[in-house]
Amino acid sequence: EDQVTQSPEALRLQEGESSSLNCSYTVSGLRGLFWYRQDPGKGPEFLFTLYSAGEEKEKERLKATLTKKESFLHITAPKPEDSATYLCAVQASGGSNYKLTFGKGTLLTVNP
Amino acid sequence: DAMVIQNPRYQVTQFGKPVTLSCSQTLNHNVMYWYQQKSSQAPKLLFHYYDKDFNNEADTPDNFQSRRPNTSFCFLDIRSPGLGDAAMYLCATSTGRGGWVPDTQYFGPGTRLTVL
Repeated sequence: EDQVTQSPEALRLQEGESSSLNCSYTVSGLRGLFWYRQDPGKGPEFLFTLYSAGEEKEKERLKATLTKKESFLHITAPKPEDSATYLCAVQASGGSNYKLTFGKGTLLTVNP
Repeated sequence: DAMVIQNPRYQVTQFGKPVTLSCSQTLNHNVMYWYQQKSSQAPKLLFHYYDKDFNNEADTPDNFQSRRPNTSFCFLDIRSPGLGDAAMYLCATSTGRGGWVPDTQYFGPGTRLTVL
């Protein structure tokens, strides 16, 4: 069974204090790993898709990296508007398997 | 902008009173999904449609049904809502590419369901 574990569950940073969120996964064959941002009371907003170990993607202050067992979401010099829950999800390989298995998320709070 | 739209954003119903949630998309994606998300929990897939083919998750209660009358619209029907069904309901879409290529899902804003 596919599993995704995110750590820490919650992270509080000062504005400008860089850090990383972790997503560890077990999957029979990785088709894709996805990062989403979710603001309170809203749907998840797509950030990144990764599928190859060693792959990196960047968007503004965010950089996502992937290894064979985990992914990191690095946040450089965060701002208060980066406060949100960050969700990681994996999609297993094989035919028409579209299912995403989500982690429980990391609640990030950035204080001014 | 192409997007996933959910209506209403907030829905209040009474215990046992049927309710229908709506999702529409302008992305022209083949696959549409319904997720249930309770507070501080991961989204839980209820079912999905690939075009008109319906795929139910094994642990989705019979109380939950879905309809997809055309490519753009999908509905979630809760036949007899219980207090435990209060949650955020998320609709998502994806292109439905098969094989090894990642199939990214795009989510709507969600409908918050309250059961009184």
